[in-house]
Amino acid sequence: QKEVEQDPGPLSVPEGAIVSLNCTYSNSAFQYFMWYRQYSRKGPELLMYTYSSGNKEDGRFTAQVDKSSKYISLFIRDSQPSDSATYLCAMSLNTGTASKLTFGTGTRLQVTL
Amino acid sequence: DSGVTQTPKHLITATGQRVTLRCSPRSGDLSVYWYQQSLDQGLQFLIQYYNGEERAKGNILERFSAQQFPDLHSELNLSSLELGDSALYFCASSVTPSGGTTGELFFGEGSRLTVL
Repeated sequence: QKEVEQDPGPLSVPEGAIVSLNCTYSNSAFQYFMWYRQYSRKGPELLMYTYSSGNKEDGRFTAQVDKSSKYISLFIRDSQPSDSATYLCAMSLNTGTASKLTFGTGTRLQVTL
Repeated sequence: DSGVTQTPKHLITATGQRVTLRCSPRSGDLSVYWYQQSLDQGLQFLIQYYNGEERAKGNILERFSAQQFPDLHSELNLSSLELGDSALYFCASSVTPSGGTTGELFFGEGSRLTVL
């Protein structure tokens, strides 16, 4: 079993839809949770970062962490074609001397006009 | 543009061969990370260097090695290549060993390796 599970998709939604992307994890020691966005033929870029359980909002994006269920989500409101990309969740133990992120396999999102 | 430069962008080689992938981190970043991305395994951490020293090791095969030079650029050497080594290899950098307060890594655009 992988430490981080993520549905690979693809997920296709119409423009303006609310998108929900999810990851589950098995290691309760993970403390830091991130969402990276990866456009085709590009490297991942950090989108959202959260530390504690609860919600964090940034514009159209909301990251949600439920440590008791070992479940994290990324919500995208009013989705746009420019949101079409692969979204990777990532988690870190943050050992303090090295940041070794554990990534999900990514969910490919396609927002259609 | 993340500021992380990787070369070459594409590489096609044969089984048994050896290749070197190069990475220049963002200006000022002391930490370099190497990741392998394949369709079935996702993004897998290989190894991290901080200011020239190995800091953390992940699922890196013995056939693979890396180093970080005094000018902070890094090279990933892949030898005795097998078909299964075909993947995207990403380099990432951060200022501190832990990636700063957010753990943010800045990724290059990757080197796509195809082993035939």
